[in-house]
Amino acid sequence: DAMVIQNPRYQVTQFGKPVTLSCSQTLNHNVMYWYQQKSSQAPKLLFHYYDKDFNNEADTPDNFQSRRPNTSFCFLDIRSPGLGDAAMYLCATSRGLVGEQFFGPGTRLTVL
Amino acid sequence: SQKIEQNSEALNIQEGKTATLTCNYTNYSPAYLQWYRQDPGRGPVFLLLIRENEKEKRKERLKVTFDTTLKQSLFHITASQPADSATYLCALSSGNTGKLIFGQGTTLQVKP
Repeated sequence: DAMVIQNPRYQVTQFGKPVTLSCSQTLNHNVMYWYQQKSSQAPKLLFHYYDKDFNNEADTPDNFQSRRPNTSFCFLDIRSPGLGDAAMYLCATSRGLVGEQFFGPGTRLTVL
Repeated sequence: SQKIEQNSEALNIQEGKTATLTCNYTNYSPAYLQWYRQDPGRGPVFLLLIRENEKEKRKERLKVTFDTTLKQSLFHITASQPADSATYLCALSSGNTGKLIFGQGTTLQVKP
């Protein structure tokens, strides 16, 4: 089945230790998104790629970066995780900029 | 500033009844609005999309209305079942950028 896959599902890192979360998709969608969701809060868009074009949200901290080496894969890099970065990180895809988004299962990040 | 409000209190209803969830927004004119379902520890799953020129959309037991004058969307689940228990998120488009602004969600609990 076509889907959005996130690895790992659970990630534990230490304060200040860089971490990379990965997302892959078999839907061949041209848009990929990264969201941060804290407990009982709304998913918050960090950035998205339209094809190779990177779009950063104005309030996304510089600590967060992303790479999209090809259509199928997208990575979220957190350079120096702080305790406040502990959250669920959701990857999503869409065909074009209008319409439904397909979400992966998320990666739960814990920062010790 | 733009604001989306969903009832943060959980909605508890009896099996077989109709559940109605509300999404209100201010300082915003979305071109379309989407509803997603999210189960604990999982990514959101798309349910319905309604455009600004549509008053109502139906899909099986689901119905969504969109009142751009009241700046409100209502989401109905008829003949509710315990399996419908989840958090339901509304999301509004931000221009044609692909960006969705999510509400914090309302948790629905359907009791047998």
